[in-house]
Amino acid sequence: GENVEQHPSTLSVQEGDSAVIKCTYSDSASNYFPWYKQELGKRPQLIIDIRSNVGEKKDQRIAVTLNKTAKHFSLHITETQPEDSAVYFCAASDYGKLTFGQGTILTVHP
Amino acid sequence: NAGVTQTPKFRILKIGQSMTLQCTQDMNHNYMYWYRQDPGMGLKLIYYSVGAGITDKGEVPNGYNVSRSTTEDFPLRLELAAPSQTSVYFCASSYLTSRETQYFGPGTRLLVL
Repeated sequence: GENVEQHPSTLSVQEGDSAVIKCTYSDSASNYFPWYKQELGKRPQLIIDIRSNVGEKKDQRIAVTLNKTAKHFSLHITETQPEDSAVYFCAASDYGKLTFGQGTILTVHP
Repeated sequence: NAGVTQTPKFRILKIGQSMTLQCTQDMNHNYMYWYRQDPGMGLKLIYYSVGAGITDKGEVPNGYNVSRSTTEDFPLRLELAAPSQTSVYFCASSYLTSRETQYFGPGTRLLVL
């Protein structure tokens, strides 16, 4: 089955800095890669996603890049704000079944 | 639309007890899923359903059962609860035509003592 590795497990940045979270996947059949943000005690919320036929996607301060050859994808957050502090999960999907990474705790210091 | 709703929000079970976690969606989604999230970890798929009457195992199905008699409801049954089932359980659903875009419920926190 699919295996998703996510790094780093914790990330601390100053407000205004950029944050990068990286994930690798094992199954070359995976074709959809979402990123979720989860605040303490809340449900995961989809923040951005990318499909295998696209190399990069942006939505305001967040962007995702995908390298299918290397089987890795990354989340980039620019101009970080304290409200970006949360746990971020990457996932890979083959026909709707999501396999999640272990999560990254992002802390943005004012 | 209420989206995906789950009950109860929190429950304490004794070892060996049984319970059903309820999940309902009002978006007419074909696909429904059950995940568990252990502390400090990502979500793991327990069971999923592609439509009424059709269910299949995910990554961690042992100790659980599901049924899907209607499009709206997808209950998760725990038989003979064990401490290892202490977790937060999330239900999710998605459209047939965009099945990977999953909408999550608020979760049920379960403690087995």
